Amino acid sequence: AQSVTQLGSHVSVSEGALVLLRCNYSSSVPPYLFWYVQYPNQGLQLLLKYTSAATLVKGINGFEAEFKKSETSFHLTKPSAHMSDAAEYFCAVRAKANTGNQFYFGTGTSLTVIP
Amino acid sequence: DSGVTQTPKHLITATGQRVTLRCSPRSGDLSVYWYQQSLDQGLQFLIQYYNGEERAKGNILERFSAQQFPDLHSELNLSSLELGDSALYFCASSLDSYTDTQYFGPGTRLTVL
Repeated sequence: AQSVTQLGSHVSVSEGALVLLRCNYSSSVPPYLFWYVQYPNQGLQLLLKYTSAATLVKGINGFEAEFKKSETSFHLTKPSAHMSDAAEYFCAVRAKANTGNQFYFGTGTSLTVIP
Repeated sequence: DSGVTQTPKHLITATGQRVTLRCSPRSGDLSVYWYQQSLDQGLQFLIQYYNGEERAKGNILERFSAQQFPDLHSELNLSSLELGDSALYFCASSLDSYTDTQYFGPGTRLTVL
């Protein structure tokens, strides 16, 4: 079975500070991992994904994530937080079914950016 | 704007009733996914369709059913509604059955009173 765990349901950072959102995965096979962002009253938007190529993945809006197999982690970072980064962030893992895909999401981390 | 549309935006109904949620995928996408997002259970995968056929099933209750039509739009039918079914229901689409990049719609907020 595949799953992801997000540590910290709420994270607050000052504007300009480093953003670090944590995600650990559990998978019996090489995982496909994703980070999504959800702004209030909107659907999810893909930030970045890891599909077994480079371990450091760059996404949109200055975010990046590093896949660390030894730590079973896929933490999301951004060097300098902006007010517009305030949102809910979800880590997800894909499990391939016989004929399709299943995606399992973490419980989400709400990011607050303090001016 | 992801290109995925969902209707209605909001739906309020009573326990025991039946509702239908509609989703139109992005132009060119053949696969549709349905998700339920609730406060207590988070974001849960329900079911995936590809070109009219069911391809993967998640934690979908027997009271819930879905289908994808020849024009590729999809409907999620929820019946014998309970208070606990109150949630945001998202549809997402992807190019095909195995492409892992999904585009999410804005969701339908269902309130069961």
